[in-house]
Amino acid sequence: EAQVTQNPRYLITVTGKKLTVTCSQNMNHEYMSWYRQDPGLGLRQIYYSMNVEVTDKGDVPEGYKVSRKEKRNFPLILESPSPNQTSLYFCASSLLGDVTGELFFGEGSRLTVL
Amino acid sequence: ILNVEQSPQSLHVQEGDSTNFTCSFPSSNFYALHWYRWETAKSPEALFVMTLNGDEKKKGRISATLNTKEGYSYLYIKGSQPEDSATYLCAFSSNDYKLSFGAGTTVTVRA
Repeated sequence: EAQVTQNPRYLITVTGKKLTVTCSQNMNHEYMSWYRQDPGLGLRQIYYSMNVEVTDKGDVPEGYKVSRKEKRNFPLILESPSPNQTSLYFCASSLLGDVTGELFFGEGSRLTVL
Repeated sequence: ILNVEQSPQSLHVQEGDSTNFTCSFPSSNFYALHWYRWETAKSPEALFVMTLNGDEKKKGRISATLNTKEGYSYLYIKGSQPEDSATYLCAFSSNDYKLSFGAGTTVTVRA
């Protein structure tokens, strides 16, 4: 089954404790992206990747890091989480290397930083 | 961040009635316009990706139109059913490979 898998789905952590949210897709997609969703706002892009070893900042990259060492994986790293990073996070992938292809989303990771 | 606006923010519709709502986006440097349906506790799912001015797309009872010159897209739901209850997201891209999402229109279909 074609899917984008995120882990963990739910996480409560404390300020400053490094964490990684993993994202894996099994569709051989080139394009992957991370978004955060906050109440009343649209999905905001954190980072995106056009292909292996190619990553770029989205609209709200501060406090986040990513890597793309393999085509299927695109982890999101919070080196020192803060309460303002409490949010719902979505990973997405797309077959095409640009945004004319539909995005396939993971189920979301709800992160709470105390 | 490009300004993508969706209106209304929410709407209630009686089962069997038709409805429509709007996504507005910058009319310059248009590249693509996406529509997604996001049901509670699920992943957003793609409905349409539209790239040409005047494009019309249809999936079952849901259809969308696109006007890139004036910067808007309409999504129509014909004969609404309870399973149509969801938040509908649009996303706009200019030629910079970034999608900017609107805040969504939440549709509640009352039986």
